[in-house]
Amino acid sequence: AQSVAQPEDQVNVAEGNPLTVKCTYSVSGNPYLFWYVQYPNRGLQFLLKYITGDNLVKGSYGFEAEFNKSQTSFHLKKPSALVSDSALYFCAVRQAGTALIFGKGTTLSVSS
Amino acid sequence: EAQVTQNPRYLITVTGKKLTVTCSQNMNHEYMSWYRQDPGLGLRQIYYSMNVEVTDKGDVPEGYKVSRKEKRNFPLILESPSPNQTSLYFCASSSPRYEQYFGPGTRLTVT
Repeated sequence: AQSVAQPEDQVNVAEGNPLTVKCTYSVSGNPYLFWYVQYPNRGLQFLLKYITGDNLVKGSYGFEAEFNKSQTSFHLKKPSALVSDSALYFCAVRQAGTALIFGKGTTLSVSS
Repeated sequence: EAQVTQNPRYLITVTGKKLTVTCSQNMNHEYMSWYRQDPGLGLRQIYYSMNVEVTDKGDVPEGYKVSRKEKRNFPLILESPSPNQTSLYFCASSSPRYEQYFGPGTRLTVT
C-alpha cells in the first residue's frame, strides 16, 4: 500500500536559520511527490512537486525539496527561514490516477 | 482568477438533517476530489471524480455521496449527518500536471 510519513509533528527554527521538514514515502513504481502549505484558516497551497528529472526541486517562496530514491525521502528545505513561513506543511504522494495520499502534517514554527 | 470555491464556509447542523456542500472550479479541470481534515489525521480523501459522471470512493466514503453532472461542479452530500462527520472539508481540482488546487474549506459541526 502506498503511504507517506512525516515523522515530526512540529519543527521549531529561529528566523534566518535553515529549515528542514522531513517526509518519507512508500509507493509501488515511480513516485509523484508534492509539498503543500496551509496557513491558519486557509486552504492548502501547492509549494512544489517532483515528477521526474533533477532530484532537487525548487518551488514557491524560496522552498526546495530533495528527492532521494534510495532513502525514499522527499525532505522540504529552505536556506533561511522567515517568521511568515510558520504554517502547517503536508507532504503527499500520488496514488492511482491523480489521487493524493497526504501525510499527517508538520507544524513549522519560526521564531524571531 | 483561477479558483475553487466552496459554500458554505461554516455550517452548524443537527444529526440527521440532510445537507449539501457545493464546490465549483473555473479551471476546466477534469479531476476533482473531496477531503476531510481532522487533527492528527491529516487529509483523507472522501470521494473523487475523474470526469463528468465518473466518481469513485476514496479512503473514507462512508456517510457521504457526490455527483458530477457537469465538469465545474462537484457537490458533497451528507444524507444523514452524524457527529463523527464534524470536520473541516476541502474540495480540490487537479491540473493535468497533477497540481491540486484547494478550496478555502468548509467547517462543519454536527450536533
